[in-house]
Amino acid sequence: EIVLTQSPGTLSLSPGERATLSCRASQSVSSSYLGWYQRKPGQTPRLLIYGASRRATGVPDRFSGSGSGTDFTLTISRLGPEDFAVYYCHHYGSSPLTFGPGTKVDIK
Amino acid sequence: EVQLVESGGGLVQPGGSLRLSCAASGFIFSNYAMSWVRQAPGKGLEWVSSINDSGDSTYYADSVKGRFTISRDNSKNTLDLQVNGLKGDDTAIYYCAKHQRAGTYSPADSWGQGTLVTVSS
Repeated sequence: EIVLTQSPGTLSLSPGERATLSCRASQSVSSSYLGWYQRKPGQTPRLLIYGASRRATGVPDRFSGSGSGTDFTLTISRLGPEDFAVYYCHHYGSSPLTFGPGTKVDIK
Repeated sequence: EVQLVESGGGLVQPGGSLRLSCAASGFIFSNYAMSWVRQAPGKGLEWVSSINDSGDSTYYADSVKGRFTISRDNSKNTLDLQVNGLKGDDTAIYYCAKHQRAGTYSPADSWGQGTLVTVSS
């Protein structure tokens, strides 16, 4: 099983700042099978990034994904007020599919 | 517009059973893999089970293997999860999710609002 670890647990930033979220896998993951979701209270998860770096339909270009092997990053270049949420990385390349524990981005 | 509507949750005693259903619309259901993902109170997302487009390949988390059964009816655009032998740890909101492609090794790009399963005596 591929275990995903996310850091930090909470990231406190101001609107307009840059957010850098980390996801580390317990073993090497094909970049094709690493994604990121955004989750806001009362809403369903929203796919942001798949294939490590490909933006899903309708996702603003301030969101970008990068990484390979065991280390992946989600970057939000300039935080908008709507970006304060919990972000999960997700491995979907083999069974069991796994999610990281999440990084909460909150307002400083 | 993709719509996924779950039903079938409720309060059940330990050891009990439920059948969760997901009604899909707004896309060609038979072309996409589907999954169930759950979220326990105060916890993160946990993948439960997946099924490919045709229904001939299914996958389960170890925590539910042998107790849960995923199935689909492509003629009715429905996804089901039969949950047996329920335990307290199964208490969660269960979400139905559509994958991007026919195979399960693709990301889920649409999610339902979820149905709550509470296991308690």
